[in-house]
Amino acid sequence: NAGVMQNPRHLVRRRGQEARLRCSPMKGHSHVYWYRQLPEEGLKFMVYLQKENIIDESGMPKERFSAEFPKEGPSILRIQQVVRGDSAAYFCASSSEETQYFGPGTRLLVL
Amino acid sequence: ILNVEQSPQSLHVQEGDSTNFTCSFPSSNFYALHWYRWETAKSPEALFVMTLNGDEKKKGRISATLNTKEGYSYLYIKGSQPEDSATYLCAPISGGSNYKLTFGKGTLLTVNP
Repeated sequence: NAGVMQNPRHLVRRRGQEARLRCSPMKGHSHVYWYRQLPEEGLKFMVYLQKENIIDESGMPKERFSAEFPKEGPSILRIQQVVRGDSAAYFCASSSEETQYFGPGTRLLVL
Repeated sequence: ILNVEQSPQSLHVQEGDSTNFTCSFPSSNFYALHWYRWETAKSPEALFVMTLNGDEKKKGRISATLNTKEGYSYLYIKGSQPEDSATYLCAPISGGSNYKLTFGKGTLLTVNP
């Protein structure tokens, strides 16, 4: 039973480019969460999605960030026009009940 | 935003020592507390989900207790082994949402052989 998969594991972008981070939840899980870890900080909640629905995006920056979890395929966290301050580790988690299972993260570096 | 404090920030013990660390959180509007173990370059691994005051959970040599009235949880490791070296994170959830984990900064445990 594969765990939560994230790709790419590492992503380098130049300022102004777009970053797309993918998350495939564990089999049978319909809830996906994205968290961000900025340098020297803890994990912070960004967004909670169910299939085709954004349930809570209260932790998402208001501009340039978007997330989706389509009926088919992985959840995508999209960052448009990246800036240096977006450099961080982005973690996805999935759940069917109360326990959230985390993926290995995508480390984004913006040059 | 929940204020979550974990102490100590880091801890070095010898193999075979028993150790414990603390997670403090606001006691009002408590819903649940999650503990995770996070090894470098790996995914955070779920250890426990605790909900009831006085709860005690155990997984092998690791156990945890919960006091929701005063807002703290202890994590204990009995007979530490080098493979226990990791960052231990706690994440309470308040009643406002039953899914939004608010993580502390963690306790970094290093077990020397």
